[in-house]
Amino acid sequence: GQQVMQIPQYQHVQEGEDFTTYCNSSTTLSNIQWYKQRPGGHPVFLIQLVKSGEVKKQKRLTFQFGEAKKNSSLHITATQTTDVGTYFCAGRNNAGNMLTFGGGTRLMVKP
Amino acid sequence: NAGVTQTPKFRILKIGQSMTLQCTQDMNHNYMYWYRQDPGMGLKLIYYSVGAGITDKGEVPNGYNVSRSTTEDFPLRLELAAPSQTSVYFCASRPGQGAQYFGPGTRLLVL
Repeated sequence: GQQVMQIPQYQHVQEGEDFTTYCNSSTTLSNIQWYKQRPGGHPVFLIQLVKSGEVKKQKRLTFQFGEAKKNSSLHITATQTTDVGTYFCAGRNNAGNMLTFGGGTRLMVKP
Repeated sequence: NAGVTQTPKFRILKIGQSMTLQCTQDMNHNYMYWYRQDPGMGLKLIYYSVGAGITDKGEVPNGYNVSRSTTEDFPLRLELAAPSQTSVYFCASRPGQGAQYFGPGTRLLVL
């Protein structure tokens, strides 16, 4: 079945440093979504990427979808303590009904 | 809109007991999902539904059952609770292609 892998599992950064998490799928995706989960909370949708090579920005967050539609990345510029949480990618295959979630990257920011 | 609501928030079960986790959404979404999240891990799909009267298995359906008699409700049934079912359970819904909206979760401890 489809597998989605994320690296790294954990990342400690000093406030102000940049952060990147990478997502790789075993199969070609129709689209990929990113979610953020604060400690003790539930996943909250951030963005969806659909097109090959697509790049989208949300303030300090930059999301990319690979040319082959099998990988994606999330880059945060100048992290803040409010960025703390676990970031999940989730890929949708061509059948479209299910999302397969990566294992997540837990970001910790030292003030 | 209340969005996706889940009850109870927390429950302790003894091995072999049964319970139903409730999930309701007021956004008229066709698609609904049940996930489990073990500590420090990603989300695993248990069951999903593409509309009232239609349900299908996800990655980890064993030990669970669902029903979808209305658009709004998607209860998850545990028949014979086992320690391996200790987890946080999230219900989610989506309107079509696009974001999934998650409920606040139910924390279940099986002793």
